[in-house]
Amino acid sequence: QKEVEQNSGPLSVPEGAIASLNCTYSDRGSQSFFWYRQYSGKSPELIMFIYSNGDKEDGRFTAQLNKASQYVSLLIRDSQPSDSATYLCAVNGGGSTLGRLYFGRGTQLTVWP
Amino acid sequence: DTGVSQNPRHKITKRGQNVTFRCDPISEHNRLYWYRQTLGQGPEFLTYFQNEAQLEKSRLLSDRFSAERPKGSFSTLEIQRTEQGDSAMYLCCGDRARTDTQYFGPGTRLTVL
Repeated sequence: QKEVEQNSGPLSVPEGAIASLNCTYSDRGSQSFFWYRQYSGKSPELIMFIYSNGDKEDGRFTAQLNKASQYVSLLIRDSQPSDSATYLCAVNGGGSTLGRLYFGRGTQLTVWP
Repeated sequence: DTGVSQNPRHKITKRGQNVTFRCDPISEHNRLYWYRQTLGQGPEFLTYFQNEAQLEKSRLLSDRFSAERPKGSFSTLEIQRTEQGDSAMYLCCGDRARTDTQYFGPGTRLTVL
């Protein structure tokens, strides 16, 4: 059973702060890692993907991957109230299940003004 | 806008009825996936197609569920003899061959009374 675990939250930060979201995964064969943002009642929206160990930055978002520790994180700098959403970590299956994604339950983030 | 459309957006049905959902990806999406998401959970994989071939089905996809992708374009997901436990958001997403980035459509929310 391939598992993806996220800190359940909810996470609450003030506007302008850094929000840190964490995720661990069980399958060492996983090659691709994704963060999706999901507003209430909407479908998930891809915001970041990362394939290699280290950091990947895109605007206010930084994804960090450590395959040895089977850990991936998302940092949101200068958090805005519009960042309030559920953030889903997703990992590809690797091996024979390459292609399908395994999702965590999500971390609910609230950014208060 | 990911270019993936789904219809209908909402469906309310009575237990025991059959329902069919449609997904239209963009033409570049060789691979098409169906996921199901219930409240408080991340999306769960149901099935995926590469062009018109259905390459993988989850154990979640009981014999009441069937999916097709004729001619490798749009896809349909049919649920026969619906049960209350089928109430969920049904999500379709596409990605291009040799990329792992999956883009979701808006989803179809099914309510079984």
